[in-house]
Amino acid sequence: AQSVTQLGSHVSVSEGALVLLRCNYSSSVPPYLFWYVQYPNQGLQLLLKYTSAATLVKGINGFEAEFKKSETSFHLTKPSAHMSDAAEYFCAVSHTGTASKLTFGTGTRLQVTL
Amino acid sequence: EPEVTQTPSHQVTQMGQEVILRCVPISNHLYFYWYRQILGQKVEFLVSFYNNEISEKSEIFDDQFSVERPDGSNFTLKIRSTKLEDSAMYFCASESGAGGNEQFFGPGTRLTVL
Repeated sequence: AQSVTQLGSHVSVSEGALVLLRCNYSSSVPPYLFWYVQYPNQGLQLLLKYTSAATLVKGINGFEAEFKKSETSFHLTKPSAHMSDAAEYFCAVSHTGTASKLTFGTGTRLQVTL
Repeated sequence: EPEVTQTPSHQVTQMGQEVILRCVPISNHLYFYWYRQILGQKVEFLVSFYNNEISEKSEIFDDQFSVERPDGSNFTLKIRSTKLEDSAMYFCASESGAGGNEQFFGPGTRLTVL
């Protein structure tokens, strides 16, 4: 079975500050890992994904994440927060291969203040 | 840019009634999914579908649920006799099958059971 733990249901940062959203996973097989963002009243948009190539993955909107097998982590970072980054962020894990279900974490709501 | 669409955006129904949630996946995608998100909780996998068959289903997906791809474009989720606890946001997703397990999500249907 696979699972994802996201530490911190709410994170607040100042505009221009570093964003760090934490994700730890559990998987008995090598995983694929994903970060999705959900803006209010919208669906889930893929930010980035790790699929066993480079461990440092760059995504859209300046976000990146690093896969650390030894720490079973896939934390999401952005050097400088923007007001438009305020949203809910979900980490997810799946088996490798096609048509594998996504198992999501509970989400982290990012608030960006002036 | 191709996108997954879902109708209706909001459905209100009485307990015990049947509902059908509709999705139009991205053209040429081969794998289809339904997920749900109860208010304030994480996104949960319901079912995956490929080649006109269910590939995998969760324990949530009991006999009250069914899926169908009736015409080669639509992908539907039917709940035969809705319960109060079925109130949730239901997301459809599709995947090309080209590898990487990248799932594209629709905007969701909010189901309210009274």
